[in-house]
Amino acid sequence: AQSVTQLDSHVSVSEGTPVLLRCNYSSSYSPSLFWYVQHPNKGLQLLLKYTSAATLVKGINGFEAEFKKSETSFHLTKPSAHMSDAAEYFCVVSDPSGSARQLTFGSGTQLTVLP
Amino acid sequence: DVKVTQSSRYLVKRTGEKVFLECVQDMDHENMFWYRQDPGLGLRLIYFSYDVKMKEKGDIPEGYSVSREKKERFSLILESASTNQTSMYLCASSFLRDGGELFFGEGSRLTVL
Repeated sequence: AQSVTQLDSHVSVSEGTPVLLRCNYSSSYSPSLFWYVQHPNKGLQLLLKYTSAATLVKGINGFEAEFKKSETSFHLTKPSAHMSDAAEYFCVVSDPSGSARQLTFGSGTQLTVLP
Repeated sequence: DVKVTQSSRYLVKRTGEKVFLECVQDMDHENMFWYRQDPGLGLRLIYFSYDVKMKEKGDIPEGYSVSREKKERFSLILESASTNQTSMYLCASSFLRDGGELFFGEGSRLTVL
């Protein structure tokens, strides 16, 4: 069985300050991990993915995430927030079979960026 | 540009009505999905299809059925809509072996009165 916990349902930052969105996972296997972003009234878009290569993963729009097996974490970061980053972010875990059926979504973190 | 199109963005239906949600993708993807999104619950998988006429139940299939007669089209059917099916419905697609790389439509917000 696998699960994913997003530790904050809401995060608020000022424009130009760092962003940290926290995600912990539980998996019996070595999982694949993903971050998706959803802007208001839009579908989800893939930000980045970890699939057992480099532990520091770079994604689109300046986001990156670090896989830490010892902490079972996959936190999403960005050095400097922009107003356009305001959205909901989902951490997703997949078992290593790559089966699309075996995706588990976190409950989401709403990011607010203040001017 | 890749595209997953959900034909209805907003629907309002009455209890007991039959509801069809249509989804079309233009990327020749084998996998197609229907998810339900509710605040605080993330996305929950309703049904999944990996080929034409093939389907698998997801985590919450009760009250729903699906149809995949053509590779590019995946329909979600609510045989008799109920108020607890008021939600955002998201369609997604992916290549067969790309487990986590999903492409999503913009969603269909269904209200059942």
